Amino acid sequence: EDQVTQSPEALRLQEGESSSLNCSYTVSGLRGLFWYRQDPGKGPEFLFTLYSAGEEKEKERLKATLTKKESFLHITAPKPEDSATYLCAVQEGGAGNNRKLIWGLGTSLAVNP
Amino acid sequence: NAGVTQTPKFRILKIGQSMTLQCTQDMNHNYMYWYRQDPGMGLKLIYYSVGAGITDKGEVPNGYNVSRSTTEDFPLRLELAAPSQTSVYFCASSQTSRAGEQFFGPGTRLTVL
Repeated sequence: EDQVTQSPEALRLQEGESSSLNCSYTVSGLRGLFWYRQDPGKGPEFLFTLYSAGEEKEKERLKATLTKKESFLHITAPKPEDSATYLCAVQEGGAGNNRKLIWGLGTSLAVNP
Repeated sequence: NAGVTQTPKFRILKIGQSMTLQCTQDMNHNYMYWYRQDPGMGLKLIYYSVGAGITDKGEVPNGYNVSRSTTEDFPLRLELAAPSQTSVYFCASSQTSRAGEQFFGPGTRLTVL
């Protein structure tokens, strides 16, 4: 069964304490892996797209990487404003499934000042 | 450029009532989606549309209906509301070539009592 699993479920960091969030996936073929950020009471906000193993994307304190089985979202020297839930989603390859995403449950990140 | 807008923000329904959740986007995106998000369950796709006049079922379509008469609008209809439809509903849109990079609305929090 196609799955996306995120870990940990929740993470609490001190400001400046770097860490990584994990997204592991099992799909028959990967068209793309996507990271989103969701603030409480709001809709998810797109962050990154990764297409192939070895690819990396960066934005401010966030860096996303991809292997054949998982993706990491590295957070360097986080600030309190980085507190949010981070969602991972996978798009399967194949013409019939190319519009649908398989979503993980997210990692809830809290950064204390 | 307002992006994706949803109305209402909040709604309480009685069991058996019906209502329409409105969604409008001004980015000229062909693809639009309706999701529901429940605690611990992640985002579930209800219906999606690849263009005006074309809609298709997602993972959890039972109890819902959609229509897409224009590129901009994608309303979601709930008929005979049930407590199991208590959830937060998100509408999203994307470009045809970037289906995984979705723009989300602010959501509608629906309670069925």
